[in-house]
Amino acid sequence: EAGVAQSPRYKIIEKRQSVAFWCNPISGHATLYWYQQILGQGPKLLIQFQNNGVVDDSQLPKDRFSAERLKGVDSTLKIQPAKLEDSAVYLCASSTGRVPGYNSPLHFGNGTRLTVT
Amino acid sequence: GESVGLHLPTLSVQEGDNSIINCAYSNSASDYFIWYKQESGKGPQFIIDIRSNMDKRQGQRVTVLLNKTVKHLSLQIAATQPGDSAVYFCAETKDSSYKLIFGSGTRLLVRP
Repeated sequence: EAGVAQSPRYKIIEKRQSVAFWCNPISGHATLYWYQQILGQGPKLLIQFQNNGVVDDSQLPKDRFSAERLKGVDSTLKIQPAKLEDSAVYLCASSTGRVPGYNSPLHFGNGTRLTVT
Repeated sequence: GESVGLHLPTLSVQEGDNSIINCAYSNSASDYFIWYKQESGKGPQFIIDIRSNMDKRQGQRVTVLLNKTVKHLSLQIAATQPGDSAVYFCAETKDSSYKLIFGSGTRLLVRP
């Protein structure tokens, strides 16, 4: 089966600019996640979608980050305006179930590495 | 807040030896634990998982052990190979939160 697809792989922007990331989950996976991974740390959940509805966005900095999954398949994550501390890898993951449980492990894409200068 | 952490940031082992990567968790309510492997430039890859009602689960060359008494999770890799070199993360969740919490990772280096 095809994995989680993300683009672009790399992005370099200046602070205060905007950027968008795209994710296509594994076919049939209802749940989609966006994680932020700062160098040397574990991934941190930003937002979780169940189909096209938001399950959890409690750790999403909503003053600058936004995400959507309009048709319940692909998703985009946007940052506007970017700050230096947003430099990180942005990972998209998908799973079949709503809860990352025993029979519904998360499958991750290879991420987008964002550098803000 | 409650978190998942790791004892050793870097583990170096000889090729062919067994590796043990440890993880401590603080949330006694967590009921599901996962180990992920992350190679450079790639996303985390699922290795093995275990529910809180189990003490041990085995996969191909990997075994996860869960000690709920001391809130400790470990990943054992048998006959470690160069391809096992990566950063390993443990993660936990509980049904009520839907949120997977990752630790900071352990880097495994396999010496030829």
